[in-house]
Amino acid sequence: GNSVTQMEGPVTLSEEAFLTINCTYTATGYPSLFWYVQYPGEGLQLLLKATKADDKGSNKGFEATYRKETTSFHLEKGSVQVSDSAVYFCALEGNRDDKIIFGKGTRLHILP
Amino acid sequence: NAGVMQNPRHLVRRRGQEARLRCSPMKGHSHVYWYRQLPEEGLKFMVYLQKENIIDESGMPKERFSAEFPKEGPSILRIQQVVRGDSAAYFCASSLGRGNQPQHFGDGTRLSIL
Repeated sequence: GNSVTQMEGPVTLSEEAFLTINCTYTATGYPSLFWYVQYPGEGLQLLLKATKADDKGSNKGFEATYRKETTSFHLEKGSVQVSDSAVYFCALEGNRDDKIIFGKGTRLHILP
Repeated sequence: NAGVMQNPRHLVRRRGQEARLRCSPMKGHSHVYWYRQLPEEGLKFMVYLQKENIIDESGMPKERFSAEFPKEGPSILRIQQVVRGDSAAYFCASSLGRGNQPQHFGDGTRLSIL
């Protein structure tokens, strides 16, 4: 079945550091890929998405590129801020499916 | 436009009681999804409903859990005879339709079982 594996946290960085959170997936066909962010006590917000190979999703300085050859969708940001502290979830939706499959989440702490 | 509204935000129940969680989808959305998030885990799909129909309940536990989305009113996730292991955050999402329509999430209901 479909699955998502993302790097375990917590990840702790200093402000303005470069961020990478790795995500790989297993799926049949051509899934859509997502990154969601969850701030403390809140629900999930869609951060960015990509629906086909080589697409790059971007939002708020975050980027991720849909790499079919490596089945990856790594999240990157060039310069993180304290306000980026949250839990980040990589996810996929199969092209024959209506449910979203989530990774376990990566907690990110940014120190001032 | 109001987003997906879930209530209550926090719910405390004793073992053996019933828990009812409500979800009002975004305006115009007729597709609702329920997910459960256990502590330090990702969200796990439970059930997908359209108005008056259950489309996919492959993630629902076979006993004690049920869901409905009536023609009028919110979607309800009902857990009977709750146990400690039901403690989790329950998230609802809604979408305009199937396929490429994005799912919008509510803030969740945090269920605690004493």
